[in-house]
Amino acid sequence: QKEVEQDPGPLSVPEGAIVSLNCTYSNSAFQYFMWYRQYSRKGPELLMYTYSSGNKEDGRFTAQVDKSSKYISLFIRDSQPSDSATYLCAMGDDKIIFGKGTRLHILP
Amino acid sequence: ETGVTQTPRHLVMGMTNKKSLKCEQHLGHNAMYWYKQSAKKPLELMFVYSLEERVENNSVPSRFSPECPNSSHLFLHLHTLQPEDSALYLCASSYGDRDSEAFFGQGTRLTVV
Repeated sequence: QKEVEQDPGPLSVPEGAIVSLNCTYSNSAFQYFMWYRQYSRKGPELLMYTYSSGNKEDGRFTAQVDKSSKYISLFIRDSQPSDSATYLCAMGDDKIIFGKGTRLHILP
Repeated sequence: ETGVTQTPRHLVMGMTNKKSLKCEQHLGHNAMYWYKQSAKKPLELMFVYSLEERVENNSVPSRFSPECPNSSHLFLHLHTLQPEDSALYLCASSYGDRDSEAFFGQGTRLTVV
């Protein structure tokens, strides 16, 4: 079993929809959970960072961590075409493991 | 701009060439990282430098040689690469030796011919 699983997509949704991006993991020792956004031809940009189970909100973005299920999510409300990018989950303890990334297309 | 600058942005090199990738950060961080991003694969951590000392080397072939002359600069020296080394090479920096809140550069797109 891979340490971090992330559906590569592509995921296409209409503008204004709520987007849900997910990752599962197998290592219960993971303590840090992050979401990165990567636009084409650019490096990843940190979006959300959390230590604990529960929800963390920042503007239109909500990160959710469920340690008991080893499952994390990123929700994007009122999605915009500018949100079209690849979203990478990352998690770990001393060492950070990245998911493969999900390509998201927001359709105008 | 994230405060992490990588040059060049694109590089095409032959298998017998020697080239270097450069990374510079202006964030006051004391840890720097090299990652490799290949198509359809997760980001792979290559090297970690903390306080200018290499603290991690993830079984990277010796044809990749990192150098960290100070806490603001990181190099990746390349020689006798293979076509499968073609990828996006990303530099990142952070406080401490945990890359949990790392800031990434825009990457160098490397093509080995």
